[in-house]
Amino acid sequence: KNQVEQSPQSLIILEGKNCTLQCNYTVSPFSNLRWYKQDTGRGPVSLTIMTFSENTKSNGRYTATLDADTKQSSLHITASQLSDSASYICVVSSGGSYIPTFGRGTSLIVHP
Amino acid sequence: GAGVSQSPSNKVTEKGKDVELRCDPISGHTALYWYRQRLGQGLEFLIYFQGNSAPDKSGLPSDRFSAERTGESVSTLTIQRTQQEDSAVYLCASSLAEGLKPLHFGNGTRLTVT
Repeated sequence: KNQVEQSPQSLIILEGKNCTLQCNYTVSPFSNLRWYKQDTGRGPVSLTIMTFSENTKSNGRYTATLDADTKQSSLHITASQLSDSASYICVVSSGGSYIPTFGRGTSLIVHP
Repeated sequence: GAGVSQSPSNKVTEKGKDVELRCDPISGHTALYWYRQRLGQGLEFLIYFQGNSAPDKSGLPSDRFSAERTGESVSTLTIQRTQQEDSAVYLCASSLAEGLKPLHFGNGTRLTVT
């Protein structure tokens, strides 16, 4: 069964600090992995996509990594801002399906 | 351009009533998804439409739930005889469905069943 597990479930950090969110998956065959950001009361928005051949990709202060061998991904946020407070969702797509598998998300709270 | 639009944004209904939720996808997006998100929980897949193909209904939790989509346009999700456990945010997403394309989500309809 395809599964995506995220950790931690929630995280509180001070503004300006860095943090790393984790995602482990068992989706097969693997196609791609996306990180989405979901602000309170809004729909998720894609931050970055990782394909099998990519190890690292940055989008501003967000850097995603992928280890396809261990089936792990991380999302690193540098110099956090109050606006980074949101839920971050790891979503993995299989080559055999148009229905991606969602993780339950990590809730990040950035305090001033 | 315009994003995915959902209406109403909020809906309060009495237990046992039927409700209809609407989703207007991004023009040209052939794929359309419905998800349910209970408070503090992750997204739960409900149904998937791709063009004129038969929809994938494997995520619908009961026969009280149904959805329609005409071609590549608007979709409606209907919940009959609503129950309190149906209270959740219902999210719609559309996509070009070309492998690596992202899902574009609306802001959801918050359904409260009293």
